[in-house]
Amino acid sequence: DTAVSQTPKYLVTQMGNDKSIKCEQNLGHDTMYWYKQDSKKFLKIMFSYNNKELIINETVPNRFSPKSPDKAHLNLHINSLELGDSAVYFCASSQDTGTKGYTFGSGTRLTVV
Amino acid sequence: QKEVEQNSGPLSVPEGAIASLNCTYSDRGSQSFFWYRQYSGKSPELIMFIYSNGDKEDGRFTAQLNKASQYVSLLIRDSQPSDSATYLCAVNFYGNNRLAFGKGNQVVVIP
Repeated sequence: DTAVSQTPKYLVTQMGNDKSIKCEQNLGHDTMYWYKQDSKKFLKIMFSYNNKELIINETVPNRFSPKSPDKAHLNLHINSLELGDSAVYFCASSQDTGTKGYTFGSGTRLTVV
Repeated sequence: QKEVEQNSGPLSVPEGAIASLNCTYSDRGSQSFFWYRQYSGKSPELIMFIYSNGDKEDGRFTAQLNKASQYVSLLIRDSQPSDSATYLCAVNFYGNNRLAFGKGNQVVVIP
């Protein structure tokens, strides 16, 4: 069984569209995250939820809205997609604050054309 | 601005040699330090974490932490072609519920 699963794996869409990425973890972890990895491979945190509560909201355009229906799921909705949103988005999870590290999903490669 | 720096460019090592990677961090209060490996097109995979000053060994990998100098390093002994990947240093800064990542170092092991 995949520990942290994301769908879709690839997403190609036009500018201005709205899209969602889903993430589920079966590790029983309390905390989930969204990271963005740009073309230079730099991983930057976007959001973090602990037991469905938002605890980290980095400087991210408000076109990005996370939603956590329960502690095993964290989805990311993006409105009015722009070319600069093209990147790989990784979901991750950890027990508590992640003192033993995070487990990452396989990533969603978003391409905005 | 709390930062994690990995300044070295791509590292090429012959098979069987030792690959050495370094990472510095800005926050002296940081408590947890991690090395992730990322193959091209794949997700980051945790290979080592270390909390205390000194060395921690796991198979062919050794992580070294020096909190006074604010650096953490990774040694890969007997490098194999399968070790060719990007290695990401990550730090859990004190009081922050997040991992901050460096930009990564690409390692190429030449058979």
